[in-house]
Amino acid sequence: DVKVTQSSRYLVKRTGEKVFLECVQDMDHENMFWYRQDPGLGLRLIYFSYDVKMKEKGDIPEGYSVSREKKERFSLILESASTNQTSMYLCASSFGGLNEAFFGQGTRLTVV
Amino acid sequence: DQQVKQNSPSLSVQEGRISILNCDYTNSMFDYFLWYKKYPAEGPTFLISISSIKDKNEDGRFTVFLNKSAKHLSLHIVPSQPGDSAVYFCAASAKTGANNLFFGTGTRLTVIP
Repeated sequence: DVKVTQSSRYLVKRTGEKVFLECVQDMDHENMFWYRQDPGLGLRLIYFSYDVKMKEKGDIPEGYSVSREKKERFSLILESASTNQTSMYLCASSFGGLNEAFFGQGTRLTVV
Repeated sequence: DQQVKQNSPSLSVQEGRISILNCDYTNSMFDYFLWYKKYPAEGPTFLISISSIKDKNEDGRFTVFLNKSAKHLSLHIVPSQPGDSAVYFCAASAKTGANNLFFGTGTRLTVIP
């Protein structure tokens, strides 16, 4: 079974803090993604990566950066957390080409 | 602009009846479509997919229909069960480009026992 693991289920951070969300997949997938889910807005793509050290902006990259130093790990960084970044963050991975993505369990981040 | 749209935020169905969830898309380059199911506090799980070369794909109680000319797809669940109560997301991808998935806003299905 494909496993995508996010480091935390729940996080509470203060405004202005630098926040790291970690994601690891065990299926040697080329692609990895970070989405956020907000009520009424569905899943919106923040960043994705199709190879080690490669990254592409998604629909809402502002205020975020990412790092992919190893194939199995994709990190999302909030440079200076703000309250409007309170959300559910979902990591996913997939093989290249037209294939389904597999999701982690999500991280509920609250910025106070 | 939302390229994948789910215009019904919620749907309630009696147990045993058919649930029909709808999805529309605007990008004619999309050629692979997926449905995901999501329970609260969990990540979405893949349910069923369809390629643009087909107009129907069936897996047990779940069937996805694709109408390319109308840029419309639907998910049929029959018979509906209380455990099907969840948020369903439609997603689409294009062969060209980076293979990322574009998601709709979701439809919350409630199956009433």
